[in-house]
Amino acid sequence: DQQVKQNSPSLSVQEGRISILNCDYTNSMFDYFLWYKKYPAEGPTFLISISSIKDKNEDGRFTVFLNKSAKHLSLHIVPSQPGDSAVYFCAASYGNAGKSTFGDGTTLTVKP
Amino acid sequence: DTGVSQNPRHKITKRGQNVTFRCDPISEHNRLYWYRQTLGQGPEFLTYFQNEAQLEKSRLLSDRFSAERPKGSFSTLEIQRTEQGDSAMYLCASNQQRNTEAFFGQGTRLTVV
Repeated sequence: DQQVKQNSPSLSVQEGRISILNCDYTNSMFDYFLWYKKYPAEGPTFLISISSIKDKNEDGRFTVFLNKSAKHLSLHIVPSQPGDSAVYFCAASYGNAGKSTFGDGTTLTVKP
Repeated sequence: DTGVSQNPRHKITKRGQNVTFRCDPISEHNRLYWYRQTLGQGPEFLTYFQNEAQLEKSRLLSDRFSAERPKGSFSTLEIQRTEQGDSAMYLCASNQQRNTEAFFGQGTRLTVV
């Protein structure tokens, strides 16, 4: 039973447009959600997070939205840049953000 | 501090051999985590330490796997009697507080032939 799901394995967008990456979870105990970005041959790097008491968190071009009733979160990247091309992982945790349950990732390609 | 360091980066071993990986976390981080990632999947939690104490182990961590963090600094992950199914990327991560993001190393890619 996969508790965190990213249903789109890949996404392709044009440079300058918005990228929207989606994530669904099943465990209502999760209280902290994170997005990590991963380039080939590197470990995941933290991008942005959101606590379950909030519904939105923004950091520059990146915004994460949380809909607790739907158990759904999304990452918006505006505007998208070619350097954003990477695998994006959604992760969820409760009580310890370092111990997270990850989705299988979405590969984002931003075309110049 | 250059971040979380893992050695070796790559390891090829024959089935049945033992292997050991090392992780050096960010120096001020007291929590250290091991994850495993296979192709096309996200990282899966294996175990974590707070200082030298191993506080949690996933059921994924069979009795062939053992992890230590003897002085609360670096950690080792040993796999005994390796099997082909152990082939994966082994990731180490660390953080300082309960609800802060984890910083990941580049991983050790294990191939069991």
